[in-house]
Amino acid sequence: DTGVSQDPRHKITKRGQNVTFRCDPISEHNRLYWYRQTLGQGPEFLTYFQNEAQLEKSRLLSDRFSAERPKGSFSTLEIQRTEQGDSAMYLCASSSERRLAGYTFGSGTRLTVV
Amino acid sequence: GENVEQHPSTLSVQEGDSAVIKCTYSDSASNYFPWYKQELGKRPQLIIDIRSNVGEKKDQRIAVTLNKTAKHFSLHITETQPEDSAVYFCAARGRGDQFYFGTGTSLTVIP
Repeated sequence: DTGVSQDPRHKITKRGQNVTFRCDPISEHNRLYWYRQTLGQGPEFLTYFQNEAQLEKSRLLSDRFSAERPKGSFSTLEIQRTEQGDSAMYLCASSSERRLAGYTFGSGTRLTVV
Repeated sequence: GENVEQHPSTLSVQEGDSAVIKCTYSDSASNYFPWYKQELGKRPQLIIDIRSNVGEKKDQRIAVTLNKTAKHFSLHITETQPEDSAVYFCAARGRGDQFYFGTGTSLTVIP
């Protein structure tokens, strides 16, 4: 598979629980991004990595959110103590820094907090 | 940071007609402008992009124009087909490496 993979596709969780999502980028892409998309809105930037370094974080990324990319390959996004407002589609994307180009998005993880 | 506005939010056209979606951006340092198509329940997919050193780019029925002075760019779809129905997002790459997306345009092509 040469695309960006995300797991799981859907996650339903109770408020207050912790959840973790995984993203596997395109293998030759060294940049990895996390975005959040709510219904009727465009994707909103959360954070991005170049290799294993987290280079930028949005103010949207509260202290309940943490992202890692320990070996510069796959990444995880964890949300602690989930709230109903966290319900959204979480999109991962990757790109190569060598060329100015658009992202390749994964299929996303749809989170529903009940 | 960058602010991208997109209009209209919904657009209905008859099959075969043209569709135009417009976006404005605020940061004059933005240098790359992709357009994404998102079908219901699916990932956004890049359909065309334009760099700040180019005024227009065309790919079959899709074209994008950029006016750097006015800080706006537009997507043009000609000879629309029902399969063009989707939500379209414009985006701008600002000073950092993140993209700022518009709020989307829901395009419906009526057969």
